[in-house]
Amino acid sequence: GEDVEQSLFLSVREGDSSVINCTYTDSSSTYLYWYKQEPGAGLQLLTYIFSNMDMKQDQRLTVLLNKKDKHLSLRIADTQTGDSAIYFCAETSFSGNTGKLIFGQGTTLQVKP
Amino acid sequence: EAQVTQNPRYLITVTGKKLTVTCSQNMNHEYMSWYRQDPGLGLRQIYYSMNVEVTDKGDVPEGYKVSRKEKRNFPLILESPSPNQTSLYFCASRRTGNTEAFFGQGTRLTVV
Repeated sequence: GEDVEQSLFLSVREGDSSVINCTYTDSSSTYLYWYKQEPGAGLQLLTYIFSNMDMKQDQRLTVLLNKKDKHLSLRIADTQTGDSAIYFCAETSFSGNTGKLIFGQGTTLQVKP
Repeated sequence: EAQVTQNPRYLITVTGKKLTVTCSQNMNHEYMSWYRQDPGLGLRQIYYSMNVEVTDKGDVPEGYKVSRKEKRNFPLILESPSPNQTSLYFCASRRTGNTEAFFGQGTRLTVV
């Protein structure tokens, strides 16, 4: 079945770049997403990429998609303490249960001053 | 302001006492769904609805019910809650075929 995997924890120093990785199994994935969850808050959509794209950049965020290896990454440049949160990778295929998001386990990003 | 509103935000209840978590969206979205979030498991879909009076099971529907009598509301019903339903619950909505889903702030449920 569909599956999305992420590492659970990443620690970086303020000012460094963070790279959060994700792998997925569904070859019919249409969109891949990165969500951010701050403590006590809901999910905030950071960015998404369509499956026919290799890269998307949005200010400090860069998303890379390797469709052959089913690997997605999120790079945060110049990481700040305010970036500390849980980051979820998710995918959807818009087939069958259209709109269902399959989430990874979430990566907790810790930013040390 | 476009939003998805869940109530309550926090709830502690006892085993077997029926409860309802409400979800309302003001964006006229067709698609609504419920997820539960558990540590190390991410978010898993409980139920979804593609439009009024159309609902179906997600990946973890056991112990839950939903209804969609109006487009804006999608309540989650636990007829007889059990401790394994202690979790953080999220409601989400989106326009059919659109890329972005909007999430509520979450409901933290504890069943003792």
